[in-house]
Amino acid sequence: DAKTTQPPSMDCAEGRAANLPCNHSTISGNEYVYWYRQIHSQGPQYIIHGLKNNETNEMASLIITEDRKSSTLILPHATLRDTAVYYCIVRFPWWGAQKLVFGQGTRLTINP
Amino acid sequence: EAQVTQNPRYLITVTGKKLTVTCSQNMNHEYMSWYRQDPGLGLRQIYYSMNVEVTDKGDVPEGYKVSRKEKRNFPLILESPSPNQTSLYFCASSLGSSGDGYTFGSGTRLTVV
Repeated sequence: DAKTTQPPSMDCAEGRAANLPCNHSTISGNEYVYWYRQIHSQGPQYIIHGLKNNETNEMASLIITEDRKSSTLILPHATLRDTAVYYCIVRFPWWGAQKLVFGQGTRLTINP
Repeated sequence: EAQVTQNPRYLITVTGKKLTVTCSQNMNHEYMSWYRQDPGLGLRQIYYSMNVEVTDKGDVPEGYKVSRKEKRNFPLILESPSPNQTSLYFCASSLGSSGDGYTFGSGTRLTVV
């Protein structure tokens, strides 16, 4: 699985959009980009994933650059409950390649 | 509610006393896995199972055993716990199909003294 690079920490004001970047310059053509978050010491929570098209769900949007070497997770209206460590992971999605390799992630703090 | 349930949430034990951390999922997921989380080292995979009676080692399997006799259960067994196994443990499951997200349990904080 390709490695990712994320800033160690970010701050965002409550109600504003939080944009979390991730670099994955060695991503291969069939690897997907996944985002998870971990609130305090709870179990990681799946947020969203994508291959090359932008994706949106009820939690967030994922923007992947055309060359797929980087991506941005967008939380459109951040709340205090979005304070967490966010992990960007790239991996093959098919059967037999099931391990998630967690890096150090980005510690996002939402300020009132 | 779809969930992964781990028990116990907290456990303090002594070196060498065998223990089992249970994990159960109610989503009929084929794939289950155990991770441990340590400060500065992040989350690391211990063991995983792709289906009943099919298990394999992850990155840090030493000192642990697992079994998968039923689809819903994937217990983590520490035959002779040592202080270096003091950690936060997470069980996770997924359907295993393409693009699937993982569901994690709430964690088990284990202290071995």
